[in-house]
Amino acid sequence: EAQVTQNPRYLITVTGKKLTVTCSQNMNHEYMSWYRQDPGLGLRQIYYSMNVEVTDKGDVPEGYKVSRKEKRNFPLILESPSPNQTSLYFCASSLSTGGMDTQYFGPGTRLTVL
Amino acid sequence: AQKITQTQPGMFVQEKEAVTLDCTYDTSDQSYGLFWYKQPSSGEMIFLIYQGSYDEQNATEGRYSLNFQKARKSANLVISASQLGDSAMYFCAMRESIILTGGGNKLTFGTGTQLKVEL
Repeated sequence: EAQVTQNPRYLITVTGKKLTVTCSQNMNHEYMSWYRQDPGLGLRQIYYSMNVEVTDKGDVPEGYKVSRKEKRNFPLILESPSPNQTSLYFCASSLSTGGMDTQYFGPGTRLTVL
Repeated sequence: AQKITQTQPGMFVQEKEAVTLDCTYDTSDQSYGLFWYKQPSSGEMIFLIYQGSYDEQNATEGRYSLNFQKARKSANLVISASQLGDSAMYFCAMRESIILTGGGNKLTFGTGTQLKVEL
């Protein structure tokens, strides 16, 4: 089944404890992206990747890192999480970068930073 | 100015009735795409429908249709024959051209409309 998977789905952590949220897609998509969703703000892009080893900042990149060593995986890294990073996180992918391809979203990761 | 505006934070509709969710957008781009996503209470984002800026016909997908009025910069979602399972948050999103965004297939989202379908 074609899908985007994220792990973990739920995570409660403490300030400063490094964490990684994994994202994987099995559709051979070139483009992958991370968004965060906060009440009243909709979804905002954190980072994106147009292909392996090509990543760039979105609208709200502060406090996050990403890597794209393989086409299928795009982990989101929080080196030193803070309470303002408590949010619902989505990974998304689309076939290509330049067109208007539909982005398919993972199931979301609900992160709470205490 | 907001790129995507959804002015209805919440809407109620009776089962089997049609409902229109409003979305207006702001772009100077000639080539762009408009998307609608559904987010049920379980949290996942489900793609519903897409409209390209050059598409002359309004997009339709089953009970979903997109009322695209380019001159007014509006892209309203119409759900016909509402069902209880349609109760969810609905997001309108826009994809501008790679030239304008500087790269990347970024979607810009509105703040969403919470739809509740009642018996």
